[in-house]
Amino acid sequence: DAKTTQPPSMDCAEGRAANLPCNHSTISGNEYVYWYRQIHSQGPQYIIHGLKNNETNEMASLIITEDRKSSTLILPHATLRDTAVYYCIVRASGSARQLTFGSGTQLTVLP
Amino acid sequence: DTAVSQTPKYLVTQMGNDKSIKCEQNLGHDTMYWYKQDSKKFLKIMFSYNNKELIINETVPNRFSPKSPDKAHLNLHINSLELGDSAVYFCASSPSQGAAEAFFGQGTRLTVV
Repeated sequence: DAKTTQPPSMDCAEGRAANLPCNHSTISGNEYVYWYRQIHSQGPQYIIHGLKNNETNEMASLIITEDRKSSTLILPHATLRDTAVYYCIVRASGSARQLTFGSGTQLTVLP
Repeated sequence: DTAVSQTPKYLVTQMGNDKSIKCEQNLGHDTMYWYKQDSKKFLKIMFSYNNKELIINETVPNRFSPKSPDKAHLNLHINSLELGDSAVYFCASSPSQGAAEAFFGQGTRLTVV
């Protein structure tokens, strides 16, 4: 699976959009980008995933660059409850391989 | 109803003891996992089971023995506990091996003293 690089921490004001970047320059054509988050003292939670098109669900939007070497997770209106570690993971779809979590980005939403 | 539940939530035990952590999922999923999160917060896969069969064993010491009595349960038994086993252990499940979304339990914080 391709390696991902994320900033260790970010702050965001409550109510503003939080944009979390992820670099995955060695991503292969069949590899998807997944985002999970882990709120303190809880298990990781799936957010969204995509291959090359932008994706949106009730939690977030995922913007993947045309060359697929990087992506951005967007939380459109961050709340205090969005404070968490956000993990960007690359894995081939349908692969039996497990999700490999890196160090992630600690997002702190400030009041 | 909790989708993936683990018991106990906290476990404090002495070195050398044997302990078990139970995990149950009520989602009807075929695949279940055990992850370990150490003090530096890195989450690492330990085991993966699909339809009660072991799929992945990521070089975990053989003191750790998972057991899946049925598709809804994946228990983790640990023999001869060591200080380095102290961590948070997460159970997870997904509809299939390659499914995009995995559902995690709340974790079991194991402290070996």
